Amino acid sequence: GQNIDQPTEMTATEGAIVQINCTYQTSGFNGLFWYQQHAGEAPTFLSYNVLDGLEEKGRFSSFLSRSKGYSYLLLKELQMKDSASYLCVPSDSNYQLIWGAGTKLIIKP
Amino acid sequence: GAVVSQHPSWVICKSGTSVKIECRSLDFQATTMFWYRQFPKQSLMLMATSNEGSKATYEQGVEKDKFLINHASLTLSTLTVTSAHPEDSSFYICSARDGARDYEQYFGPGTRLTVT
Repeated sequence: GQNIDQPTEMTATEGAIVQINCTYQTSGFNGLFWYQQHAGEAPTFLSYNVLDGLEEKGRFSSFLSRSKGYSYLLLKELQMKDSASYLCVPSDSNYQLIWGAGTKLIIKP
Repeated sequence: GAVVSQHPSWVICKSGTSVKIECRSLDFQATTMFWYRQFPKQSLMLMATSNEGSKATYEQGVEKDKFLINHASLTLSTLTVTSAHPEDSSFYICSARDGARDYEQYFGPGTRLTVT
């Protein structure tokens, strides 16, 4: 089957760094997305990895290891507005996105 | 960047009536559009995939006669919730795939439907 495993909830302090880990199993693989979703809003695109390694984009970085079925999202210099759910979303052989419940990140002052 | 709009942003309707939600890709051609539903504190659930000019493919458990999807052009898809019931109250989100790039989906802002 297809599944995604992420922590349900994480808490971090403003200005700090947090890493959200994700392991996944899919039928085929065509890359992995990270999305941010604030409560009551649609997801917004953060990153896409299709090859192994680290992709850096401003305060956010995403890492992928295809052989391990593992990815992480690294958020630096946390701001209060980063409080949201973060969704690790692999894409299967049909380019279908596989959605889980995500990780709710709470930022404290 | 690619923009997807949805209309309306929110709608309240009475039980038994029908509601139409529009999804438009504003600056790219969307060969494929997706319709999702999300209940509070739950993950997105794919309802159906629609390709321009052909019938939508519905996920298991989604009633095609209740959720009518039309993808008449490369920039517009509509979802009509027919004979709505309170249990249909949810957050409906569309996304569109850029025909030139297979991997990326762009999400609309979502439509919050409340059925009274």
